[in-house]
Amino acid sequence: DAKTTQPPSMDCAEGRAANLPCNHSTISGNEYVYWYRQIHSQGPQYIIHGLKNNETNEMASLIITEDRKSSTLILPHATLRDTAVYYCIVRTRNTGGFKTIFGAGTRLFVKA
Amino acid sequence: NAGVTQTPKFQVLKTGQSMTLQCAQDMNHEYMSWYRQDPGMGLRLIHYSVGAGITDQGEVPNGYNVSRSTTEDFPLRLLSAAPSQTSVYFCASSYPTGVAGGHNEQFFGPGTRLTVL
Repeated sequence: DAKTTQPPSMDCAEGRAANLPCNHSTISGNEYVYWYRQIHSQGPQYIIHGLKNNETNEMASLIITEDRKSSTLILPHATLRDTAVYYCIVRTRNTGGFKTIFGAGTRLFVKA
Repeated sequence: NAGVTQTPKFQVLKTGQSMTLQCAQDMNHEYMSWYRQDPGMGLRLIHYSVGAGITDQGEVPNGYNVSRSTTEDFPLRLLSAAPSQTSVYFCASSYPTGVAGGHNEQFFGPGTRLTVL
């Protein structure tokens, strides 16, 4: 499985964009990049995923570099409720199954 | 839909006791997984299942057993509890790759907080 590297923590001012980086230099061609977040020890929540192209949904945008070795999750207008741990995951797809490996993630603090 | 449900929410065990953590989902998902999360750490995969009757080991399977007799249920058994198993346990489910729009977003339960004395 491809490994990911994320900074342990980041700060962001409320109302500003939060840009969370992730390195996945060993990603293989058929692996997707997924982002989840975990708010205050609740179960993780899916945010967004992508393969090659940039993606956007109602929660966030995902920018993947052309070589696919890194990506950035963007929360365009961070609020206090976005304070959470954000996990960048590269998902392996094996025939008949899958394994999802979570790392330590990035703890995002959104400050008023 | 109730989504993914887990019981109990909290549990305290003594070393050597056994117990079963329950997980159920009502979304007809084929894939289900169990994770543990230690304080200040990320999630680690214990066991997973790709359908009824099929299970496999994750990163940290020792000390745990699973079975999958139905699509809905995926219980996790602690055979002989140890203090090192004190953790928060999360169950998750999803469709397989290529089903329901082509991606397999995982849905997580609220967690079971287990303390082993």
